[in-house]
Amino acid sequence: DAGVIQSPRHEVTEMGQEVTLRCKPISGHNSLFWYRQTMMRGLELLIYFNNNVPIDDSGMPEDRFSAKMPNASFSTLKIQPSEPRDSAVYFCASSHRDTFRVFGPGTRLTVT
Amino acid sequence: GENVEQHPSTLSVQEGDSAVIKCTYSDSASNYFPWYKQELGKRPQLIIDIRSNVGEKKDQRIAVTLNKTAKHFSLHITETQPEDSAVYFCAASIGSGGSDYKLTFGKGTLLTVNP
Repeated sequence: DAGVIQSPRHEVTEMGQEVTLRCKPISGHNSLFWYRQTMMRGLELLIYFNNNVPIDDSGMPEDRFSAKMPNASFSTLKIQPSEPRDSAVYFCASSHRDTFRVFGPGTRLTVT
Repeated sequence: GENVEQHPSTLSVQEGDSAVIKCTYSDSASNYFPWYKQELGKRPQLIIDIRSNVGEKKDQRIAVTLNKTAKHFSLHITETQPEDSAVYFCAASIGSGGSDYKLTFGKGTLLTVNP
């Protein structure tokens, strides 16, 4: 099993540009999570999908952030327009009922 | 909602010594407590977890203890080695894995093991 796959691993973009982060969960896992990690705020849950359906997006900072899960093997997190304060490491994680959460390698986003 | 406090924020020990990291939680309904290790530039990885029907769990050099009455749990690492140096996160939730998505994380403890 390749684990949770995220792309890109690093993204540098200018303020105002659109950023799309991608995630492929572990096959068979039906829960998918997007987290943001910063020194100041630690690990924050942005959105949770169960069986491809968004269940809780209360952690999404503002309307500039959106996430989709069109099928069980793919999810995207989009920021449009990006701002310097969005700079962080974004982790995708997946799990199945009664299994522990497995994190992907993360995408380090830098917005200049 | 759940609130998880973690102490200390940094911990420095000599190789071979023991390290203890403590967490408290606020929601008495929480019953699943995982610990994650995150090496510099890497992803958080589960190292051990405990459920509320168990007071202690061991896996080689690491152990976790849980006191439900006091609502606190601790990670114990014995015979520390330089490769134990990392940030450790505690977390708490009602249920485990996907059955409760609101896994609340502590702010992390940076453990440094000096050779």
